[in-house]
Amino acid sequence: AQTVTQSQPEMSVQEAETVTLSCTYDTSESNYYLFWYKQPPSRQMILVIRQEAYKQQNATENRFSVNFQKAAKSFSLKISDSQLGDTAMYFCALRPSGNTGKLIFGQGTTLQVKP
Amino acid sequence: DAGITQSPRHKVTETGTPVTLRCHQTENHRYMYWYRQDPGHGLRLIHYSYGVKDTDKGEVSDGYSVSRSKTEDFLLTLESATSSQTSVYFCAISDRGNSYGYTFGSGTRLTVV
Repeated sequence: AQTVTQSQPEMSVQEAETVTLSCTYDTSESNYYLFWYKQPPSRQMILVIRQEAYKQQNATENRFSVNFQKAAKSFSLKISDSQLGDTAMYFCALRPSGNTGKLIFGQGTTLQVKP
Repeated sequence: DAGITQSPRHKVTETGTPVTLRCHQTENHRYMYWYRQDPGHGLRLIHYSYGVKDTDKGEVSDGYSVSRSKTEDFLLTLESATSSQTSVYFCAISDRGNSYGYTFGSGTRLTVV
């Protein structure tokens, strides 16, 4: 079975600080894709960042970056210079190749950015 | 923004009644998905479609059916709503293969009383 686990249900960080959200996954596929989605209180799902498993270089998008450890099956999200607008639930997701594009989600981590 | 809309945005219904949620896209994407979101479970796949009249079950498909008679519309039906189906339902679309994520609708909050 393919699974995604986010072991931190809730986290908090002070504005302007850095925070790391953890995600581990399990798949037998050799090629796959990993994503982080943000869900603010508006409920909209917003793609934050994506990583292709065959690329060793960690993806970055402005203040968001990932630490992708393929052997350890770990995919953490680092948010630098946290802003109040980063307050949201964050979901890690796995998309194995060849399965009609189904996304497998983790349980989510609620992040609170404090002023 | 990608053209994907869900309706209704909120709904309250009684146990035992049928309910249909609608997802409409204007992107001509091949793949469409229905997920439900519940605390502690993240999002779980209910059903998905890979083309007109081509659908398949996800991991939590019991009690749900879907139909896709046109590329742009994907309907989710709860045949006889139960309280365990109280949830937030998301539709998503995808076109560019496995390397890209989804575009999501804004969700439907369904309450079964």
